[in-house]
Amino acid sequence: DIQMTQSPSSLSASVGDRVTITCRASQDISDYLAWLQQKPGKAPKSLIFRASSLQSGVPSKFSGSGSGTDFTLTISSLQPEDFATYYCQQYYSYPPTFGQGTRLEIE
Amino acid sequence: QVQLQESGPGLVKPSETLSLTCTVSGGSMSSYYWSWIRQSPGKGLEWIGYIYDTGSTDNNPSLNSRVTISVDTSKNQFSLKLRSVTAADTAVYYCARGSTVSRVAFDFWGQGTKVIVSS
Repeated sequence: DIQMTQSPSSLSASVGDRVTITCRASQDISDYLAWLQQKPGKAPKSLIFRASSLQSGVPSKFSGSGSGTDFTLTISSLQPEDFATYYCQQYYSYPPTFGQGTRLEIE
Repeated sequence: QVQLQESGPGLVKPSETLSLTCTVSGGSMSSYYWSWIRQSPGKGLEWIGYIYDTGSTDNNPSLNSRVTISVDTSKNQFSLKLRSVTAADTAVYYCARGSTVSRVAFDFWGQGTKVIVSS
C-alpha cells in the first residue's frame, strides 16, 4: 500500500493567516491526490481532486499543488470556519490510502 | 444534491457480523461507484471497498475475506457486511460516492455511524 505522510500533524494559526500543509507519498502517484476537510463530529468534505482542481463550491482561498510524491495544500486568509482537520488521499493505486491528518487550530 | 445516510446497529458483539446500509437520495446510483470507508483513532481513515451499480465489487485486501458489499438499486441502497468482528473493527463507518474523476475519489459522504464492537 502507498503510505501518505502529512506534516505537520497539528498547526496553530490566527484568523487572517495563510497556512500550508504538506503531504508526501511513499511512491510516485502523479497527480492522483485529493484533499479533504473534516470538522469535529462531521463527515469529511472533499476540497480538491487531481492535486489542484477545486471541487465545485469550494472557495478559491484553498489551493493545492504538487505532483509525484510531494504535495501542498494552502489556505489563505483563515476564517473561523476553516479550523478543522485536513487529510490527503491518494487514488493512484489500490487500495486508496489517506494521510494521518493535520489538525488546524486557532492560536 | 446527493445525500447519503448510513444506518445499522451501533453495537455488535465480537465474532458476530456487522451489517450497515447506506441510503442514497437526491440522485441515481447508476454509473457510479459506492464505497464504504471507516475511521478509527488507531488506524485513521481506511477504505473498505466499493460496489458498482451492476454489482461488481472490489475490497481492501486487508479486509477482503471478511467483507461483502451488496447493492439494491431499486431501493437506492447499498450495504456492508463485515464478518467475525473484533474490537479492532470499532470505528465510525462512512458511505461515500466515487466521483467522475475516479471511482475512489469521493465527492459525497454520509454523516457516518459509530459502531462499537463489545460484548
